[in-house]
Amino acid sequence: AQSVTQLGSHVSVSEGALVLLRCNYSSSVPPYLFWYVQYPNQGLQLLLKYTTGATLVKGINGFEAEFKKSETSFHLTKPSAHMSDAAEYFCAVILANQAGTALIFGKGTTLSVSS
Amino acid sequence: DTAVSQTPKYLVTQMGNDKSIKCEQNLGHDTMYWYKQDSKKFLKIMFSYNNKELIINETVPNRFSPKSPDKAHLNLHINSLELGDSAVYFCASSPYRGSGEQYFGPGTRLTVT
Repeated sequence: AQSVTQLGSHVSVSEGALVLLRCNYSSSVPPYLFWYVQYPNQGLQLLLKYTTGATLVKGINGFEAEFKKSETSFHLTKPSAHMSDAAEYFCAVILANQAGTALIFGKGTTLSVSS
Repeated sequence: DTAVSQTPKYLVTQMGNDKSIKCEQNLGHDTMYWYKQDSKKFLKIMFSYNNKELIINETVPNRFSPKSPDKAHLNLHINSLELGDSAVYFCASSPYRGSGEQYFGPGTRLTVT
């Protein structure tokens, strides 16, 4: 069975600082990996995804993530944090090309950005 | 136009009541989902429908019954509500079954008193 573990339930950064949110996955077959963002009182929005191909994927709002098979990681980064980045971030995994499977979410990381 | 909409946004009700949440998507997607987000923000899949066919049915009490009248709509009916049902329920859709690229509705916050 597949799973994701998000290290750190809460990350605090200053505006302009590097954002690093950690995600490790466990999967017996090649996974597809995702990062979603949830702003307060809203639904989730897809930030970026890795399916196949380039292991460094770019998403919306300046975020990117790198798939590292050897480390079973898919960490999310942004070079310079904005106040508007404050939100809940979820890493998720789904089995590749398996029609009956569902997204499995990590427990989420709350990102706080201070001025 | 909102891509995935849910009604109501807030639902406050007493234990033992029956309530429904409605979801509609205008993206032309084949697959729709219900997720439950608990007070610790943990998200878990409850059900998934593909073209009106139930394809995922996680371990959920049978007081919860989804219904999909057509592929653009997925409703959730809950019987005999319990305190533990208090949560935020999200509807989502995706272009095809097995897609991790999903579009979420704004959520329905259910409070059972």
